[in-house]
Amino acid sequence: DAKTTQPPSMDCAEGRAANLPCNHSTISGNEYVYWYRQIHSQGPQYIIHGLKNNETNEMASLIITEDRKSSTLILPHATLRDTAVYYCIVRVSTGTASKLTFGTGTRLQVTL
Amino acid sequence: GAGVSQSPRYKVAKRGQDVALRCDPISGHVSLFWYQQALGQGPEFLTYFQNEAQLDKSGLPSDRFFAERPEGSVSTLKIQRTQQEDSAVYLCASNQGRTGSLVTQYFGPGTRLTVL
Repeated sequence: DAKTTQPPSMDCAEGRAANLPCNHSTISGNEYVYWYRQIHSQGPQYIIHGLKNNETNEMASLIITEDRKSSTLILPHATLRDTAVYYCIVRVSTGTASKLTFGTGTRLQVTL
Repeated sequence: GAGVSQSPRYKVAKRGQDVALRCDPISGHVSLFWYQQALGQGPEFLTYFQNEAQLDKSGLPSDRFFAERPEGSVSTLKIQRTQQEDSAVYLCASNQGRTGSLVTQYFGPGTRLTVL
């Protein structure tokens, strides 16, 4: 699976958009971009995934550059409950052992 | 609805003791994964089951670590002769798909193991 690079930490004011970047310059054509987050003392939680088109769901939006070498997770109106570590993961879409390879993620702190 | 549950939530063991950590996946989920998360780090893959078959155990750090899922539902991760470096949070995840392809992994809350 391709390696990802994320900033170690970010701050965001409550109510503002949080934009979390991820670089994955070695991504292959059959690899998807996944985002998970981990709130303190909980297990990771799936947020969103995409291949090459931008994606949106009730939690967030995922913007993937045309060359697919980077992506941005957008939380449109961050709240205090969005404070967590956010992990960007790339992996192939098929295979019997689709394990997730986490990095160290971005610690997002949402403040009043 | 019921998610992935793990027990115990916290476990303190003396060095050299054996421990057993339990995972109850979401009912009907075929795939089950175990991860280890050291303090300040992201989770790291340990092993994977499809039903009762252990298809990948490449992440198990030593032969002191053993996992089983005899009936294809509940899984147990056993650590023999625990060492201080085994202290970590052990996470279990499950998903629906036989290939585990695009299907989301659902994680339990983890078991925090502290070895004294």
